[in-house]
Amino acid sequence: ELKVEQNPLFLSMQEGKNYTIYCNYSTTSDRLYWYRQDPGKSLESLFVLLSNGAVKQEGRLMASLDTKARLSTLHITAAVHDLSATYFCAVTSNTGNQFYFGTGTSLTVIP
Amino acid sequence: KAGVTQTPRYLIKTRGQQVTLSCSPISGHRSVSWYQQTPGQGLQFLFEYFSETQRNKGNFPGRFSGRQFSNSRSEMNVSTLELGDSALYLCASSLRLPLTDTQYFGPGTRLTVL
Repeated sequence: ELKVEQNPLFLSMQEGKNYTIYCNYSTTSDRLYWYRQDPGKSLESLFVLLSNGAVKQEGRLMASLDTKARLSTLHITAAVHDLSATYFCAVTSNTGNQFYFGTGTSLTVIP
Repeated sequence: KAGVTQTPRYLIKTRGQQVTLSCSPISGHRSVSWYQQTPGQGLQFLFEYFSETQRNKGNFPGRFSGRQFSNSRSEMNVSTLELGDSALYLCASSLRLPLTDTQYFGPGTRLTVL
């Protein structure tokens, strides 16, 4: 079974700082997804990364994918309080028919 | 455009009962996926439907089943409920195949099994 690990699990950072969340997965996959979940709310799709070297940016968030290293990063630039949420990555299996989520990273941005 | 809707939003059942959850995708979306979220197991993929066909299924027992109708609306059924089935059940729709397309999630149905 494909394993997806995120680190850190908990992240507390000050406004204005930069930080990176890491997502490692255990077997070959060329599709990776990032989601955001606010407390008590549903999931919001942030990025879909479909190939090695893919980079996508939206506002203060930038996601990248390195399929050779089986690693994706979610970089936060100049954090603001509104970014406080739990962030999940997810990958498909190499057969493309299963979908696995990471454990989530709970981000708190402190004013 | 209306978002993904799920009904009911909250549900309380007892062990051994069965339950049916409903999901209406965004108009024009043909794909619906279902997920289970629990504090212990996190987020887990249940099924994926596209044009009324189940394309993929996660590692859940046969008590979990689903279907998609011609209008793309989907239902999920859990029979012989167990305490461990207590969870937030999320559905998501996408325009095309969900594994390559942005998914839009509904608010979820919170199921409590007593």
